[in-house]
Amino acid sequence: QVQLQESGPGLVKPSQTLSLTCTVSGGSVNSGPYYWSWIRQPAGKELQWIGRVYTSGTTRYNPSLESRVTISIDPSRNQFSLRLSAVTAADTAVYFCARMVIGGGGSFHWDYWGQGSLVTVSS
Amino acid sequence: DIQMTQSPSSLSASVGDRVTITCRASHNITKYLNWYQQKPGRAPKALIYTTSNLQSGVPSRFKGIGSGTDFTLTISSLQPEDFATYYCQQSDRIPLTFGGGTRVDIK
Repeated sequence: QVQLQESGPGLVKPSQTLSLTCTVSGGSVNSGPYYWSWIRQPAGKELQWIGRVYTSGTTRYNPSLESRVTISIDPSRNQFSLRLSAVTAADTAVYFCARMVIGGGGSFHWDYWGQGSLVTVSS
Repeated sequence: DIQMTQSPSSLSASVGDRVTITCRASHNITKYLNWYQQKPGRAPKALIYTTSNLQSGVPSRFKGIGSGTDFTLTISSLQPEDFATYYCQQSDRIPLTFGGGTRVDIK
């Protein structure tokens, strides 16, 4: 059974960089075909896709966040990570890591999710 | 960005009811539409992918249909564990986007 677990600071000051790591167990980030993704959800609001990384390190980001986001992968630790710079209160949210299945015919969906990590941006 | 609009935003239903949720995309997404269920304080759970494919372990009372811009999720006979919020999500184009959610409450 694949499990994902987010870790990182729960409180970040405005203008600083939010850093989260997702540790994968029960499977390998080197296996495929999967994209390893970050998604966030402000309290009481809808989900927002942040970006994804492939095993090769290739990334795609949400254009609305692209200038501030970096997602990386570390197969040696079976982890992938999120960095979001210059944060503001609007970045306060629960951050989820998730595995996206690359299906046949160009279909994609997330099949395994972490439990979520609340990050609050406040001084 | 492709905008995903769900309706209704909330509904009240009883155990055993048939429930239908609709999702409309602002552009043609052919068949690339997924549905997720989320309970309070939990991560979303995949229900249906690519319009009509049931995720492993999901009961057959969940059914998805549609194409192009209009999609529906139907729960044929609502069970106590189905009270949750449901989200549609398009995987046709970057950025991947979600609907605003439909909350299903107990009547």
